[in-house]
Amino acid sequence: DGGITQSPKYLFRKEGQNVTLSCEQNLNHDAMYWYRQDPGQGLRLIYYSQIVNDFQKGDIAEGYSVSREKKESFPLTVTSAQKNPTAFYLCASSVDRGYEQYFGPGTRLTVT
Amino acid sequence: EDKVVQSPLSLVVHEGDTVTLNCSYEVTNFRSLLWYKQEKKAPTFLFMLTSSGIEKKSGRLSSILDKKELFSILNITATQTGDSAVYLCAVSNAGGTSYGKLTFGQGTILTVHP
Repeated sequence: DGGITQSPKYLFRKEGQNVTLSCEQNLNHDAMYWYRQDPGQGLRLIYYSQIVNDFQKGDIAEGYSVSREKKESFPLTVTSAQKNPTAFYLCASSVDRGYEQYFGPGTRLTVT
Repeated sequence: EDKVVQSPLSLVVHEGDTVTLNCSYEVTNFRSLLWYKQEKKAPTFLFMLTSSGIEKKSGRLSSILDKKELFSILNITATQTGDSAVYLCAVSNAGGTSYGKLTFGQGTILTVHP
């Protein structure tokens, strides 16, 4: 089955700790994206990558970092510099930039 | 800055009703408008619209784009409880380094009662 997987589903961390969220796709898509969703605010773009070893900041990149060492994988690290990290994080991919994006099931991160 | 506004923010109807969800946008270089349905977790893709006046249809759902007035509507006829979800509208940018970047609206929460 082709699709996008994210793990874990739920993640709890203490303030001051870095945490890495996993995103893997087997759709052979070139482009991958990370979004954050907060209640009443829709989705906001954190980072995106068009191709391996290349990525661009989105609208709210501060406090986050990414890597794209393999086409299938686009992990997101939420650093201790992110002021309000508690949110629902969604990973997406598309054949190429400009095409419809398909989403993974999301990771709900809670930082206390 | 690209902007997408959806209305209403929430809507409660009964099974069998027809609903119309609205999406207006401002974007520097428009490429396409997309609709997604989000039930609990991952948004699922519904439609992508690029041309004005051409209706896209899938079962009881349909959508149309007006590029002159900068809006789109999503219609759902004969609603069912399974249509209860958040409906998200997004616009895709066609310009330079922002090519393909999606800007999302805040979503419309649709609740369908039996």
